Amino acid sequence: GENVEQHPSTLSVQEGDSAVIKCTYSDSASNYFPWYKQELGKGPQLIIDIRSNVGEKKDQRIAVTLNKTAKHFSLHITETQPEDSAVYFCAARANDYKLSFGAGTTVTVRA
Amino acid sequence: SAVISQKPSRDICQRGTSLTIQCQVDSQVTMMFWYRQQPGQSLTLIATANQGSEATYESGFVIDKFPISRPNLTFSTLTVSNMSPEDSSIYLCSVDDLTQETQYFGPGTRLLVL
Repeated sequence: GENVEQHPSTLSVQEGDSAVIKCTYSDSASNYFPWYKQELGKGPQLIIDIRSNVGEKKDQRIAVTLNKTAKHFSLHITETQPEDSAVYFCAARANDYKLSFGAGTTVTVRA
Repeated sequence: SAVISQKPSRDICQRGTSLTIQCQVDSQVTMMFWYRQQPGQSLTLIATANQGSEATYESGFVIDKFPISRPNLTFSTLTVSNMSPEDSSIYLCSVDDLTQETQYFGPGTRLLVL
């Protein structure tokens, strides 16, 4: 089955700086790569996703890049704000519609 | 995007009892899933809830422990049976909006088993 690795496990950044989270996947058939943000006491919230026919996608301060050859994808958050503090999960999915998740990254934005 | 609600939002249960969690979606969806998130951990897929047929369970999860129903395209239930403290987790309902091919999660049910 699919194996998704996520790094780093924790990330502390100064407000206004950028944050980068990296994930690798094992199944070359995976074609959908969402990112979720989970705040304390809440369910995961989809923040951005990318499909295998696209190399990069941006939504305001958030961007995701995908390298299919290397089987890795990354989340970039620019101009971080305190409300960006949360746990972020990457995931990968093939045509069976089952998501495989990374272990999560706890992001702390220091004011 | 689909709006998902879950009941109860949290519960404290005694070992040996069972709890049924409900998931309601505001629109018809093809795919519904149940995930478990143990404290401080990532999400693990329990099963795919199939409308009108038996759920499809992932390795390590069995129907006797986690019976699932899905009577229509907007509703599903997950029962955690004969609970033990190891079942203390967050249980999450998820749906796949196939028109957008995007997967969304409900707010979760926080279960503590004493």
